Amino acid sequence: DTAVSQTPKYLVTQMGNDKSIKCEQNLGHDTMYWYKQDSKKFLKIMFSYNNKELIINETVPNRFSPKSPDKAHLNLHINSLELGDSAVYFCASSQDRASGAETQYFGPGTRLLVL
Amino acid sequence: GNSVTQMEGPVTLSEEAFLTINCTYTATGYPSLFWYVQYPGEGLQLLLKATKADDKGSNKGFEATYRKETTSFHLEKGSVQVSDSAVYFCSCGTSYGKLTFGQGTILTVHP
Repeated sequence: DTAVSQTPKYLVTQMGNDKSIKCEQNLGHDTMYWYKQDSKKFLKIMFSYNNKELIINETVPNRFSPKSPDKAHLNLHINSLELGDSAVYFCASSQDRASGAETQYFGPGTRLLVL
Repeated sequence: GNSVTQMEGPVTLSEEAFLTINCTYTATGYPSLFWYVQYPGEGLQLLLKATKADDKGSNKGFEATYRKETTSFHLEKGSVQVSDSAVYFCSCGTSYGKLTFGQGTILTVHP
């Protein structure tokens, strides 16, 4: 029933490890996003895909690589994790992105803690 | 690029008090404006939106009016409830679906 789901919900790992976060939406939307929320609640877009094509790629280290196997899924792989990567990562989706007026539907978030 | 500035929090109110959270934006063109709300431990969800100047968005007793002349989209509610305690984000959207968020305002409502 969940519209936008993410796994895992919590992720605790050591510096230097590689980890992935998965996102799936069952809304039939064409566009998916990854956001990072820091400890002060500041929210910033990282990537956006539209029908499996990368649309937005903000200034994000190369260690972060999104992958969209189909338009219902957008995964985030992070290499060589650093302490500063600790944050909450949100996936979101929208019907389209053309007008900028579409509502984005957010997943519950993945809380990543790098030790 | 676009930017959004929100009133600094946290905001603490008693139940039934009047709420205003100020939001101003800087953007090229005519962006759509949104208020999203994040309840504890959850993702964001849309509270209301307005897509053109003078539009008023409203939902659950909250209102905000798109003011192009003052580049503002202030959030108001006449009588807050304990269940309104959450983090509120003002944002503006571009034609590529990129949302730029304000820094968020933490609202706590006491009985």
